[in-house]
Amino acid sequence: EAAVTQSPRNKVTVTGGNVTLSCRQTNSHNYMYWYRQDTGHGLRLIHYSYGAGNLQIGDVPDGYKATRTTQEDFFLLLELASPSQTSLYFCASSAGVLYEQYFGPGTRLTVL
Amino acid sequence: GDSVTQTEGLVTLTEGLPVMLNCTYQTAYSTFLFWYVQHLNEAPKLLLKSSTDNKRTEHQGFHATLHKSSSSFHLQKSSAQLSDSALYYCALKKTGFASALTFGSGTKVIVLP
Repeated sequence: EAAVTQSPRNKVTVTGGNVTLSCRQTNSHNYMYWYRQDTGHGLRLIHYSYGAGNLQIGDVPDGYKATRTTQEDFFLLLELASPSQTSLYFCASSAGVLYEQYFGPGTRLTVL
Repeated sequence: GDSVTQTEGLVTLTEGLPVMLNCTYQTAYSTFLFWYVQHLNEAPKLLLKSSTDNKRTEHQGFHATLHKSSSSFHLQKSSAQLSDSALYYCALKKTGFASALTFGSGTKVIVLP
């Protein structure tokens, strides 16, 4: 089964702080995704990538940067965190856009 | 743009009764639909998917039929179990090459004994 890991699992920061969320997948999937999950909004796509060095903008990209350094690693950067970015963040990977997405365990971020 | 609508935010029902979760979509060209399920404190997982009009797709006791004429992909189960309590997401592959999925807002299902 596909393995997607995220770190940290929990993070608390202050408004204006810098945060980097990490995601690693070990199944050589081409696609990787970053989502945020909020009650009433469901899963919303922030950024995604279909290969190392590639980056695609999702539906809610404002305030977020992402970087895909290798096939395995995908990072989400919040350079000036705001309370509105308090959320549960999921990373996912898939072999292709029509294939099953395998999700990581999530990172709970709190911005005070 | 492409979008998915799930009208019920919360569905509460008694074990053994049938359940249907509504999913409608708007799209210019895409007709690839998915249902994902997320149990409490777990990550979402694929439940089933379809791109064929009027064909029933089944998995783990659930089924859904894509109806392009009505832009719908409702999820059904004939007899709900306690273990079906979860958050269910309908998703649509967005139009365009190498595009991603757009998810609905989700329906929380609570099955009571």
